[in-house]
Amino acid sequence: QLQLQESGPGLVKASETLSLTCTVSGGSITSDPYYWGWVRQPPGKGLEWMGNIFYTGNTYYNPSFKGRISISLDTSKHQFSLRLSDVTAADTAVYFCASPAKKEGWIQPWGRGTLVTVSS
Amino acid sequence: QSVLTQPPSVSGAPGQSVTISCTGTSSNFGAGFDVHWYQQFPGSAPRLLIYSNDNRPLVVPRRFSGSRSGTSASLAIAGLQAEDEAHYYCQSYDTSLSGPVFGGGTKLTVL
Repeated sequence: QLQLQESGPGLVKASETLSLTCTVSGGSITSDPYYWGWVRQPPGKGLEWMGNIFYTGNTYYNPSFKGRISISLDTSKHQFSLRLSDVTAADTAVYFCASPAKKEGWIQPWGRGTLVTVSS
Repeated sequence: QSVLTQPPSVSGAPGQSVTISCTGTSSNFGAGFDVHWYQQFPGSAPRLLIYSNDNRPLVVPRRFSGSRSGTSASLAIAGLQAEDEAHYYCQSYDTSLSGPVFGGGTKLTVL
């Protein structure tokens, strides 16, 4: 059974870069479902899609992140990563790594999520 | 403001049925993309409840059902149980975003 697990710092200073890694187990990052992505949820608020990466390395980003976002793959480590630059307090959220069934499809499985707090 | 519109809250007594609506636009539902539903408990990740409008993963009880018509979709929960108290989110794909979009979420309270 495919499982995802986020890891990374829980505290980031404003204006710096948030970096998170998602480790995939129970399956290959280069096989079905092929898509890997990040969704975040500010405290007490709803879900926001951030971006996806296809196993070939093609990326798809939410325009609202205006060039601050980068998602990459490390197939040798069965991991994919998120980098979000120039963070502010508005980037404080629980960050979930997840796997869309296809580019337009449902999202399952999800990691447990990791809270990242941006401090001033 | 979310691209997909859901009521902030719904409630029902144990044993009753409730429906949660999700309204989209011409760039998601109206463009023919499916709707999916998730259940989320506090402190947990979302869990896929319904996929592709009206399909239920094997582990999801039959009390949960989904439907979609035009630019609207609904999640129905029959025979409410206390354990159903959670947040519910709809999701689709949006051509203007070129990615997934979510509703703002609906908090279900079991009275």
